[in-house]
Amino acid sequence: GENVEQHPSTLSVQEGDSAVIKCTYSDSASNYFPWYKQELGKRPQLIIDIRSNVGEKKDQRIAVTLNKTAKHFSLHITETQPEDSAVYFCAAPTGNTGKLIFGQGTTLQVKP
Amino acid sequence: NAGVMQNPRHLVRRRGQEARLRCSPMKGHSHVYWYRQLPEEGLKFMVYLQKENIIDESGMPKERFSAEFPKEGPSILRIQQVVRGDSAAYFCASSPRTSGSSYNEQFFGPGTRLTVL
Repeated sequence: GENVEQHPSTLSVQEGDSAVIKCTYSDSASNYFPWYKQELGKRPQLIIDIRSNVGEKKDQRIAVTLNKTAKHFSLHITETQPEDSAVYFCAAPTGNTGKLIFGQGTTLQVKP
Repeated sequence: NAGVMQNPRHLVRRRGQEARLRCSPMKGHSHVYWYRQLPEEGLKFMVYLQKENIIDESGMPKERFSAEFPKEGPSILRIQQVVRGDSAAYFCASSPRTSGSSYNEQFFGPGTRLTVL
């Protein structure tokens, strides 16, 4: 089955700096890698995802890169803003049912 | 197009009581996943259902927990004889995923926060 490891567990940056969160996965059959943002007391919100047929995807200040050979993928946030402060989770599906295995989460704090 | 709906948003139960959590998927989605999030932890898969079928319940505790997704109405996660360790946020997610597809985009509901006294 799938195992997803996420680092770092906490990340503090100054407003305007970049933030990078990394995840590794174990199931080489995984082909879809979403990232979720969860604010305190709220639902996980899908912010970006990547399929295994591409190596990078961008959406404004957010980008995700995927290295299938090394089995890791990363979330990059540029020009961070205080409203980016939240817990970020990576995930990967396992098996043929689409269930997601989540990383442990990264608490991002953006200091104004 | 309404998003995933869950109710109640907050539920308080005493030990030994039953908890019923409801989830209505997004319009057009027939796949429902339930996840549990313990305080300050990540999300753990519990069960995956399609209409009238439990597809994967490998994450469900063997006792006291059950789930259903009837032909009509919401999906229900039922916890019998709750204990303090059941206190958590329970999220459901729905997906437009079709059988055999690798497309696994899941959208989460607001969650039900269960507190067991």
